Amino acid sequence: AQSVTQPDIHITVSEGASLELRCNYSYGATPYLFWYVQSPGQGLQLLLKYFSGDTLVQGIKGFEAEFKRSQSSFNLRKPSVHWSDAAEYFCAVGPGGNEKLTFGTGTRLTIIP
Amino acid sequence: DGGITQSPKYLFRKEGQNVTLSCEQNLNHDAMYWYRQDPGQGLRLIYYSQIVNDFQKGDIAEGYSVSREKKESFPLTVTSAQKNPTAFYLCASSSWGAGDYNSPLHFGNGTRLTVT
Repeated sequence: AQSVTQPDIHITVSEGASLELRCNYSYGATPYLFWYVQSPGQGLQLLLKYFSGDTLVQGIKGFEAEFKRSQSSFNLRKPSVHWSDAAEYFCAVGPGGNEKLTFGTGTRLTIIP
Repeated sequence: DGGITQSPKYLFRKEGQNVTLSCEQNLNHDAMYWYRQDPGQGLRLIYYSQIVNDFQKGDIAEGYSVSREKKESFPLTVTSAQKNPTAFYLCASSSWGAGDYNSPLHFGNGTRLTVT
């Protein structure tokens, strides 16, 4: 069975600083990987996804993620965060099909001025 | 604007009562899903439906029921058999069948259910 780990429960970053959120997965083959963002009291929004091909994936809002097979990781990055990036971020992994997705426990991002 | 509407935003019920959460979408999506979100946990799939009049159990279906009589609507009933019903419930949809990974999930803004 697949699993996904987001080791950081809460991260605080200064506005304008760079960001990296970690995601590690366990799956027997190359999985489908996703990052979703959730603003307080809201639903989730897809930031980016990886299925195959170029291991560096660009998403919305200036985010990118890199798939590293050797490390079983799919970390999310942003070179310069904005106060509006404060939210909870979820990594998800699956073999294909939304009904088979496994979501991580999330990383809450706080931005300080 | 197209989207998913969940109502109400907050819901309070007494223990032992059934309660139905509404989910309506005007995205013309075939597939719809219900997730449960608890603090410090990821989303867990309750039920999903790929087509009208058909639905499948997810990972935590016990104590819940759904119907899909119309393409636009996928209500979730939390029954008195659900042992720990207090949670944040999210409805989602995707344009193609649930088995198609190319169709991202679109989420509603959720319903927070509190049962006392």
